[in-house]
Amino acid sequence: QVQLVQSGAEVKKPGASVKVSCKVSGYTLTELSMHWVRQAPGKGLEWMGGFDPEDGETIYAQKFQGRVTMTEDTSTDTAYMELSSLRSEDTAVYYCARRGSSDAFDIWGQGTMVTVSS
Amino acid sequence: SYVLTQPPSVSVAPGKTARITCGGNNIGSKSVHWYQQKPGQAPVLVVYDDSDRPSGIPERFSGSNSGNTATLTISRVEAGDEADYYCQVWDSSSDPVVFGTGTKVTVL
Repeated sequence: QVQLVQSGAEVKKPGASVKVSCKVSGYTLTELSMHWVRQAPGKGLEWMGGFDPEDGETIYAQKFQGRVTMTEDTSTDTAYMELSSLRSEDTAVYYCARRGSSDAFDIWGQGTMVTVSS
Repeated sequence: SYVLTQPPSVSVAPGKTARITCGGNNIGSKSVHWYQQKPGQAPVLVVYDDSDRPSGIPERFSGSNSGNTATLTISRVEAGDEADYYCQVWDSSSDPVVFGTGTKVTVL
């Protein structure tokens, strides 16, 4: 079965960048459509972007355009999400999630806490 | 952009039925997915495509969708159902993935 294992917690200063990884097991990354969702403390789920298999492109939420980059290393079946120009409002748990055949996010990583603080 | 509105909280006694609504413009024309999230854990898919359940999800969880409202129904509520619940749809707007505002279910 598919499992998504994410990298550990990060503490970053404002203005820095963070790169979170999501290792896939039980499948190869090329068989998945990977997305990223974040959740600020005490807040709801916020979609950041993900791979669109219909056109082979990665789509990003407007809010993060220009600041986020999602990449994949198929040799290690690992997906990455890099967020730059961090500010305190980016403090959140970041999740990778598989878009399943029903278009729902049926498998989630355990989450990575990113804290932005001076 | 498309907006999904949920009640902030729902309280229910054990053994009773909880209904969580998700309101959106003509949401009945979309497929709605529901997630359960317990404190400190990742979300878990409990209903997809309005009313289907992934394997391992109890039959007590069911869904419906019509008009401007989708509903997640939890029958015979148990203490372990206490969690936050989110609805989600895909939209044709520039931000295609939309999550609802979330509902905290409290078991009395």
